[in-house]
Order: sequence, then C-alpha cells, then structure tokens
Amino acid sequence: NAGVTQTPKFRVLKTGQSMTLLCAQDMNHEYMYWYRQDPGMGLRLIHYSVGEGTTAKGEVPDGYNVSRLKKQNFLLGLESAAPSQTSVYFCASGGIGHGDGEQYFGPGTRLTVT
Amino acid sequence: EDKVVQSPLSLVVHEGDTVTLNCSYEVTNFRSLLWYKQEKKAPTFLFMLTSSGIEKKSGRLSSILDKKELFSILNITATQTGDSAIYLCAVDQTGANNLFFGTGTRLTVIP
Repeated sequence: NAGVTQTPKFRVLKTGQSMTLLCAQDMNHEYMYWYRQDPGMGLRLIHYSVGEGTTAKGEVPDGYNVSRLKKQNFLLGLESAAPSQTSVYFCASGGIGHGDGEQYFGPGTRLTVT
Repeated sequence: EDKVVQSPLSLVVHEGDTVTLNCSYEVTNFRSLLWYKQEKKAPTFLFMLTSSGIEKKSGRLSSILDKKELFSILNITATQTGDSAIYLCAVDQTGANNLFFGTGTRLTVIP
C-alpha cells in the first residue's frame, strides 16, 4: 500500500507558465482534497472531490482547476502561475461518509513561482 | 465566521518536559476535532475526538475535548527530540466535506 502519492515533489515555474500536480491514492477512498500550506497560515483547502467525476471549491480556489476522472487520481492544475501560488501543496484522501474525519496526506509538492 | 485557533504558535522545551498544546474553536455544526503531527512532510493522524471528557491516549500523548468550553488540549509527557514537529488541530463539521485547520503549534524539543 503506497497510500497517497504526489508528483512532482519539487517544481520551479516562471510567472505565466502552467503545470499539473498529480495525486494518487490506493485506499479506495471516495473523498480527495487539495490543500496549500503557507507559513503562518496553516492548511487551506483549495478544491475537493466527493467522488469520481465530481469536484467542488474550497476556501482558496482562485487560480486553480481540478479534475477527478478516475477515483484514484485527483489532478490540480495551474493555468497561469503567479508568485502568490508559491507554496507547499498537499493532497489528502478520506473514506466514505465524511464522519470518519481522518484524512491521509501525501508527502507534498513544493512549488516556487518566480 | 468559523475559526480554529491554536496556542501557543511555537514552543521550545527541554527533553523530559511535559507540554500542553491548546486548540479552541468556533464553528457551526461541530462533529469532531482531530489532531495531526507534521514533521518534515505530510501530516499524520494522532487523535479524533467527538465526545467531551473522554481522554484519548497513545503512549506519551493524550488529548481531551471540552465541547462546552469549545476547546481541546494535547498533552505530551516526557518529551523527546522526536516530538519536534508542527501539531495541527482540525475540526470536522456536519454537512461539510472538508476539515477546517488551525495554523498549528511548532514544538521544538532540545536535548
């Protein structure tokens, strides 16, 4: 069981470039999430998905898009990167019925936008 | 506005000390409170608390929830350098599909 994996681990982009972050989980979880973590800000939810083919906005969705074409994968896209999107991005997944509460996190992607 | 506030923001202690980390919350439709430990990478789950007054314990770590006063504490006894991490508190709400996180407490344990 790999759990939750993320690729890439590190990336440097120039302003205006685009990229996609990939998250994969092998726990058959229905729920998947993308967070960003900035110093002094804690974890903030960008987008999430409650099942294959569904997505929803979180607290800070602007500048990002997501897709959940397969249950095990959740993609986060940046169409035109900005320096304000420099952050560490975490993907997480959780089981059916969110009352379970617990989320399982991937190792993170450190993104720098210059 | 929903909020989760953790204190202190950072803490430095010596090995063997006992520490108490605090998490207070003001959220609608509270369902549960979770504690995570974040070392260099991904947060890892510690405890989930749903009922007041029932202590959850795992080794030297323990946590309790007070739903009347809207807070939780995380205690670590006989601290070790391996306890150095950011400790995150999060709240789960009925009808919501995500966790609402506090900003975390950075604990540093020095030998």
